[in-house]
Amino acid sequence: GENVEQHPSTLSVQEGDSAVIKCTYSDSASNYFPWYKQELGKGPQLIIDIRSNVGEKKDQRIAVTLNKTAKHFSLHITETQPEDSAVYFCAARRNNDMRFGAGTRLTVKP
Amino acid sequence: KAGVTQTPRYLIKTRGQQVTLSCSPISGHRSVSWYQQTPGQGLQFLFEYFSETQRNKGNFPGRFSGRQFSNSRSEMNVSTLELGDSALYLCASSRDGGGMSETQYFGPGTRLLVL
Repeated sequence: GENVEQHPSTLSVQEGDSAVIKCTYSDSASNYFPWYKQELGKGPQLIIDIRSNVGEKKDQRIAVTLNKTAKHFSLHITETQPEDSAVYFCAARRNNDMRFGAGTRLTVKP
Repeated sequence: KAGVTQTPRYLIKTRGQQVTLSCSPISGHRSVSWYQQTPGQGLQFLFEYFSETQRNKGNFPGRFSGRQFSNSRSEMNVSTLELGDSALYLCASSRDGGGMSETQYFGPGTRLLVL
């Protein structure tokens, strides 16, 4: 089955800096790659997603890139703000099977 | 449009008991997936239901079961609870669950504590 690895497990940045989280997947047939943000006491919230027929997608301060050949995808957050502090999860899906990375705890220091 | 709702939000049980958790998907969504989230294992897929049928299953013991009703609402049941079942149980819904454009939306979760 699919195996998703996510790095780093923790990330601390200064407000205004950029943050990058990287994930690799094992199943080349995976075709959908969402990113979720989970705040304390809440369920994961979708922040951006990318499909296998696209290499990059951007939504304001958030962008995701996908390299199908290398089987890795990354989340980029620019101009970070304290409210970006949360746990971020990547995921990879093939058909009905979605597998998640272990999560990255992002702390943005004011 | 209302989001995914889960009840109850918090639950305390003792070992050996059983528990039933409920999930109401977003209106129009027919696929419901369940996940277990723990600090040590992260987010692990339990099972997925679509049109009242279990379509996909993760690697959990038979003590974990679920069902889906005709209105797409879903329940999951855990029998003979063990301490290790303490976790946040998350439900996610999507329109279909398998298409290229499918997005899963999560509920707030039910936090289960087994004593």
